[in-house]
Amino acid sequence: AAGVIQSPRHLIKEKRETATLKCYPIPRHDTVYWYQQGPGQDPQFLISFYEKMQSDKGSIPDRFSAQQFSDYHSELNMSSLELGDSALYFCASSPGTGGTDTQYFGPGTRLTVL
Amino acid sequence: AQKVTQAQTEISVVEKEDVTLDCVYETRDTTYYLFWYKQPPSGELVFLIRRNSFDEQNEISGRYSWNFQKSTSSFNFTITASQVVDSAVYFCALSEAPTGRRALTFGSGTRLQVQP
Repeated sequence: AAGVIQSPRHLIKEKRETATLKCYPIPRHDTVYWYQQGPGQDPQFLISFYEKMQSDKGSIPDRFSAQQFSDYHSELNMSSLELGDSALYFCASSPGTGGTDTQYFGPGTRLTVL
Repeated sequence: AQKVTQAQTEISVVEKEDVTLDCVYETRDTTYYLFWYKQPPSGELVFLIRRNSFDEQNEISGRYSWNFQKSTSSFNFTITASQVVDSAVYFCALSEAPTGRRALTFGSGTRLQVQP
């Protein structure tokens, strides 16, 4: 079965640079969630989209922005990167925004900020 | 506010032992969903089970079983006859759908090490 695709899988950036992470949800899933997992931490919710509209917002820094496109893929844009942004970034998708549906996670993008 | 507590930071067992991972949650909603995810050393998050707040029936799937008790706000996970491949971090998570926060709130995770 098709899974959530994330690219790139690994990314190395310098401080103050920008980064763009991409997420391609499972076909026919219209809700996308972004999570950040620091080393040894649990995943923390950043932001979610349903039908291309932002549906919920968590602890996403103002330096980050995200959107969902007409083909339902999503991009997380990160600017003025800081050392503390080094983390594993997960995208998850589900077939609905009701929260009754399971979120299936992609393999994650490991971002390292030097 | 919702909260998930996994008090066991790390558990080490020998292969073929049974092991139970504890999860305690807090929520004000009467409708909510509980999940367990597995994160092996490779890093991905693998969905294991979803349980809604109206269904307290325990579930068994192969060597895995889950015990949901609303009276104690617990959703514990038992692995029977553990195997080395079970070594991973296991996360319990909660969502307060459909009226509350739909995003998952995770516990801090329990690292399970199964020794051969």
